[in-house]
Amino acid sequence: NAGVTQTPKFRILKIGQSMTLQCTQDMNHNYMYWYRQDPGMGLKLIYYSVGAGITDKGEVPNGYNVSRSTTEDFPLRLELAAPSQTSVYFCASRDPRGPGANVLTFGAGSRLTVL
Amino acid sequence: SQELEQSPQSLIVQEGKNLTINCTSSKTLYGLYWYKQKYGEGLIFLMMLQKGGEEKSHEKITAKLDEKKQQSSLHITASQPSHAGIYLCGADRPGTYKYIFGTGTRLKVLA
Repeated sequence: NAGVTQTPKFRILKIGQSMTLQCTQDMNHNYMYWYRQDPGMGLKLIYYSVGAGITDKGEVPNGYNVSRSTTEDFPLRLELAAPSQTSVYFCASRDPRGPGANVLTFGAGSRLTVL
Repeated sequence: SQELEQSPQSLIVQEGKNLTINCTSSKTLYGLYWYKQKYGEGLIFLMMLQKGGEEKSHEKITAKLDEKKQQSSLHITASQPSHAGIYLCGADRPGTYKYIFGTGTRLKVLA
């Protein structure tokens, strides 16, 4: 049982480059989330999705885009990378039904540096 | 300011000491969740509180939600180096499906 898998684990980008952070879960969870964590800080919600084809903005969506074509995958796209996007990105998912409805399962994180 | 504020921002305690971390919400909480993050890793769920006045314990960690459901505390008794990490409170927002987190508390336990 892999849970939530994020790739890549580390990436260095130059200013203005674009990239996609991949997130895949094998638990058939409908709800998926992307967060960023700046050094010494809490998590800030970037985007979330409640099912295939449905996405919505979180607290800090500017500079990012997402898509949800399948239940399993929720990629995060960074367009025109900026130094302010240097952070650790976490993907998470949950099943809104059943006893674990309120518990998020997290990926291991993707550390992105923009120079 | 964030919807969920935590205090203190960081904490250094001697092994064996008790400590408390607070989480305050600007809105009534329908559910409050505590997570722990070991340095450089993802978050692990600790406890969930949903009713005003609710208190839950697991090993040496106790979490409480106040009657007004706007403040929660996490208390660690007789701290150990294994308790070190970042503690985050989280809350979901019914109707929006958002799941947000607090500002985090970094705990260091000195052996």
